[in-house]
Amino acid sequence: NFMLTQPHSVSESPGKTVTISCTGSSGSIVNNYVQWYQQRPGSAPTTVIYEDKQRPSGVPDRFSGSIDSPSNSASLTISGLKTEDEADYYCQSYDSSNGNWVFGGGTKLTVL
Amino acid sequence: QVTLKESGPVLVKPTETLTLTCTVSGFSLSNARVGVSWIRQPPGKALEWLAHIFSNDEESYSTSLKSRLTISKDTSKSQVVLTMTNMDPVDTATYYCARIKALAGNDYWGQGTLVTVSS
Repeated sequence: NFMLTQPHSVSESPGKTVTISCTGSSGSIVNNYVQWYQQRPGSAPTTVIYEDKQRPSGVPDRFSGSIDSPSNSASLTISGLKTEDEADYYCQSYDSSNGNWVFGGGTKLTVL
Repeated sequence: QVTLKESGPVLVKPTETLTLTCTVSGFSLSNARVGVSWIRQPPGKALEWLAHIFSNDEESYSTSLKSRLTISKDTSKSQVVLTMTNMDPVDTATYYCARIKALAGNDYWGQGTLVTVSS
């Protein structure tokens, strides 16, 4: 089965830039869109990136998404980190082989 | 304004069937290329996709849970219902419904409802 692997945790200082990776286990991650969700403690997830690199209205341009074909991975980059960015981040994509949606295991971002 | 809200029991016993309802507003369940997903999250763990249903009644289920899940919709009531049979304590989780747009993932999420499975 298709799986998405994320680092368990990352940390960075306010004002800096952090990148969270999401690596596909097989096939090509470019075949289907990747989404990124932010989940603050005690809250429901919200979308920060959809269709690989699109930002919903209201999401600051400090958030950006990209795809790297050679490494079969997607990345979420957050620049100018703020303490409010501290949250869990999940990537998601579609497994065309079985019609299932797949989430990564989540990455806890600490801004300290 | 798009909103989704989950409703259902907070506590179910092992072996019972769970029925959850997602009531949506701000969009129609008959909109082309739009549907509703169910996603769950055990305490302290990652998100897990369960099922989705689109406006054309196309359904899809998690391969690992397919035998226990049924999803349906009532467009006139703006509701999507998920049933999960033979509940077990490992099914204890917050259950979310979320709007899905074609293959672009989930753009709006409900607040979630915590379901505990215990005797």
